[in-house]
Amino acid sequence: NAGVTQTPKFQVLKTGQSMTLQCAQDMNHEYMSWYRQDPGMGLRLIHYSVGAGITDQGEVPNGYNVSRSTTEDFPLRLLSAAPSQTSVYFCASRQDISNQPQHFGDGTRLSIL
Amino acid sequence: DAKTTQPPSMDCAEGRAANLPCNHSTISGNEYVYWYRQIHSQGPQYIIHGLKNNETNEMASLIITEDRKSSTLILPHATLRDTAVYYCIGENNNAGNMLTFGGGTRLMVKP
Repeated sequence: NAGVTQTPKFQVLKTGQSMTLQCAQDMNHEYMSWYRQDPGMGLRLIHYSVGAGITDQGEVPNGYNVSRSTTEDFPLRLLSAAPSQTSVYFCASRQDISNQPQHFGDGTRLSIL
Repeated sequence: DAKTTQPPSMDCAEGRAANLPCNHSTISGNEYVYWYRQIHSQGPQYIIHGLKNNETNEMASLIITEDRKSSTLILPHATLRDTAVYYCIGENNNAGNMLTFGGGTRLMVKP
């Protein structure tokens, strides 16, 4: 089982560039979310989705956009990259019923120069 | 989500039980307590969760106090591969995907 797949694994951008971090899951999970993790810190929620066509902001949404056109995919867009967005980004998914854990991808390590 | 408090670090001898405490005094009645761990910089890995009763699976045991204000994750026979950061999280499954990660406990298993 592939689970949650994130691409790319590594990326270096220049300030002002835009890019899309991809996240796909093959478990038919309704709920998906994006987190960022800065060095020595826990994960912080950026955006999340409870189903196709539905997205909402998390704790740190500024500078990021998301969309959810299919159940499987939940891309994260950086509109104009800034050095403060240098971080490790994790995507997660879970079933839309109670009492279910989250499944995380392996992360995308992003550096903004 | 409930705010959780964990010690920043712990050591454990290989082969011994590792007992990781977590305080979650503000947890609400319908919030489950979840434990995840993160090895190096990999994605967090689910370990176990519970609501009121103690739980056990192939990885660990979870002991929740009767008042639900604290819990303990038990790794019965810690190995070097259990060295990781362990996160205790109060997750309300009726509130979308809201997970609030604190700093976690860095467990070092030593030979």
